[in-house]
Amino acid sequence: LAKTTQPISMDSYEGQEVNITCSHNNIATNDYITWYQQFPSQGPRFIIQGYKTKVTNEVASLFIPADRKSSTLSLPRVSLSDTAVYYCLEIDQTGANNLFFGTGTRLTVIP
Amino acid sequence: DVKVTQSSRYLVKRTGEKVFLECVQDMDHENMFWYRQDPGLGLRLIYFSYDVKMKEKGDIPEGYSVSREKKERFSLILESASTNQTSMYLCASNFRGNYGYTFGSGTRLTVV
Repeated sequence: LAKTTQPISMDSYEGQEVNITCSHNNIATNDYITWYQQFPSQGPRFIIQGYKTKVTNEVASLFIPADRKSSTLSLPRVSLSDTAVYYCLEIDQTGANNLFFGTGTRLTVIP
Repeated sequence: DVKVTQSSRYLVKRTGEKVFLECVQDMDHENMFWYRQDPGLGLRLIYFSYDVKMKEKGDIPEGYSVSREKKERFSLILESASTNQTSMYLCASNFRGNYGYTFGSGTRLTVV
């Protein structure tokens, strides 16, 4: 079962760019890297996924180096509503769908 | 808007009761999952299902069973509820091989 490592918590001021890094020391060749966001008393919500290099959508950017041993979720100009727990996962695209959610990174945005 | 609906938002049950948690998805997804979430432990997979009548144990299946008689519905059963099963229970679903999982809002179960 692939496991990831990410910081337990981070604080940031409103308007700053936030980068959350995840370690993928045992990532398999077939795995994609996916990030989810969870607000209190809600289920996790998909943010972004990628395999290599950089991916950007309307919410975030995801940077994955060539060796794929890490990934960095970048949130531009955070607001108070970005306060949440962020999870990085490795998803097997060959068919096995047993997700491993660790404890995630609790991001607190400060006014 | 696509949805995963969990039947109850909050539930209080007594020790020893049989408890049913229901999950329904309207996206024709093949895969469905049950997780529990506890402070400091993240999300832990209880059971998942690839298809109707199929089920696979996750990381913590003890004390739980599941049922999937129809594609859209996945039930989690606590045969005899215990206080250590007090938790937030989350249902999720997705298409086979697709990374985009959709989660329900969760059921907060308290066993007294």
